[in-house]
Amino acid sequence: GAGVSQSPRYKVAKRGQDVALRCDPISGHVSLFWYQQALGQGPEFLTYFQNEAQLDKSGLPSDRFFAERPEGSVSTLKIQRTQQEDSAVYLCASSLEAAQETQYFGPGTRLLVL
Amino acid sequence: SQKIEQNSEALNIQEGKTATLTCNYTNYSPAYLQWYRQDPGRGPVFLLLIRENEKEKRKERLKVTFDTTLKQSLFHITASQPADSATYLCALGSGSARQLTFGSGTQLTVLP
Repeated sequence: GAGVSQSPRYKVAKRGQDVALRCDPISGHVSLFWYQQALGQGPEFLTYFQNEAQLDKSGLPSDRFFAERPEGSVSTLKIQRTQQEDSAVYLCASSLEAAQETQYFGPGTRLLVL
Repeated sequence: SQKIEQNSEALNIQEGKTATLTCNYTNYSPAYLQWYRQDPGRGPVFLLLIRENEKEKRKERLKVTFDTTLKQSLFHITASQPADSATYLCALGSGSARQLTFGSGTQLTVLP
């Protein structure tokens, strides 16, 4: 289909490893969001891009988290020196226009840090 | 600080009945409120959006109300079916910030 895709779907990392999570938004979607969802909780905002510009990164929990979207399409969320508390599902969402409120979510990447 | 509460973690109802889910918020003035459905292992799927100047929205068997005085939204599924079993998330958005603020969700189980 033409939905949001994320890879990998599952990632197991040893504490201290770096990980990179990829998001392919719906083609042509201007806005891209990253959320973190802990077990039994709702998604929590991490960062927001409009095209290639990162307009809001207020939700990133530490400077170990870094996101980019260099060409305004695919985005990568990188976590350096992973910690056990980073274990969660990382969701990517996109929307067609900057002013559109509805977001289309990918299936998420489940990260487990041992 | 901003807080969003959804009425209960789990709700069980009999098939054919109406399910009513509650979303209450504090310290927030949303421009709109959305309801999403999330199935295990999948991302949230958009269902309905209601704006601050709207009282009620309907879509097929779904109905959402929004009371900005009570700071509450109610989400109804009429003639519920086992296929409606999922976690339902309410999400608030403001006009300036693009991100959504989600509640923790209510897990609905419709029993056959």
